[in-house]
Amino acid sequence: QSALTQPASVSGSPGQSITISCIGTSSDLGAYNYVSWYQQHPGKAPKVIIYDVTDRPSGISNRFSGSKSGNTASLTISGLQAEDEADYYCMSYRSTPSWVFGGGTRLTVL
Amino acid sequence: QVQLVQSGAEVKKPGASVKVSCEASGYTFTNCALHWVRQAPGQGLEWMGWINTGNGNTKYSQKFQHSVTITMDTSASTAYMELSSLTSEDTAVYYCARQISYTSSWFDFWGQGTLVTVSS
Repeated sequence: QSALTQPASVSGSPGQSITISCIGTSSDLGAYNYVSWYQQHPGKAPKVIIYDVTDRPSGISNRFSGSKSGNTASLTISGLQAEDEADYYCMSYRSTPSWVFGGGTRLTVL
Repeated sequence: QVQLVQSGAEVKKPGASVKVSCEASGYTFTNCALHWVRQAPGQGLEWMGWINTGNGNTKYSQKFQHSVTITMDTSASTAYMELSSLTSEDTAVYYCARQISYTSSWFDFWGQGTLVTVSS
C-alpha cells in the first residue's frame, strides 16, 4: 500500500503563502472526501489542522486552508509565521477500511 | 479533558516482541476507535492498524498484518499494540490516536508516543 505523494520540502518567507500538494489515487483521495492534514513539530505528536478536506478544528488559525481536486489534495498556509515551521502530513481514508499517510513535507520559514 | 497516555520507552532485542499500551480518559472509551501510527527516526508517519473499541474488531495495514496485534481492555479504557519478531527496522516512536467518531475519519487526539528501540 503506497503512501500518498508529497513534496519533501517547501519554503517561504514570513507573510508569504505556500501550498503543499498531496497526490493519491482513485482508491483514496479520488474516492473520498476524508482528507486530513497534520502538523508536527520536532519531538512532538502530530496535531490535526484540517479535516474532511476543508474544515478546521476549533482553535486552528484560518491561515490554514485545504482543498481537493480529483486525486490531489492541497494545504495552503497564508501569512507564513515562524511558528509554522514544521513537518506536514496529509492522510486519507481508503476502503476496506484503512488509512494512509503522505510521506510528509518539511516547511522552512526563511 | 481527553487524554491518551502511553506506556514508557522500551528496549528490545531482535526477535523479541513488544507490547505498548494506550490508556484513554476524559471520554467514553467505546465511542471512538483507536489507531496506531509509527514513525521511524527521521521518517514519516505510517498507519499500522486500528481497533473498533465498540466491538473489538481490528484491521491492519497489509505491511503489518502478520506482525501486529491490537487488543483492548474496555474495563481499563486501554488499547494495546503488540509487535512481534522485532528487527532493527522496527525502531520507532509508536503513537496511538483517537478517531473522533465512527462517522468521521480524522484523528483528533494523540498519545505522547512510545519509543521502541530494537538493538542487540
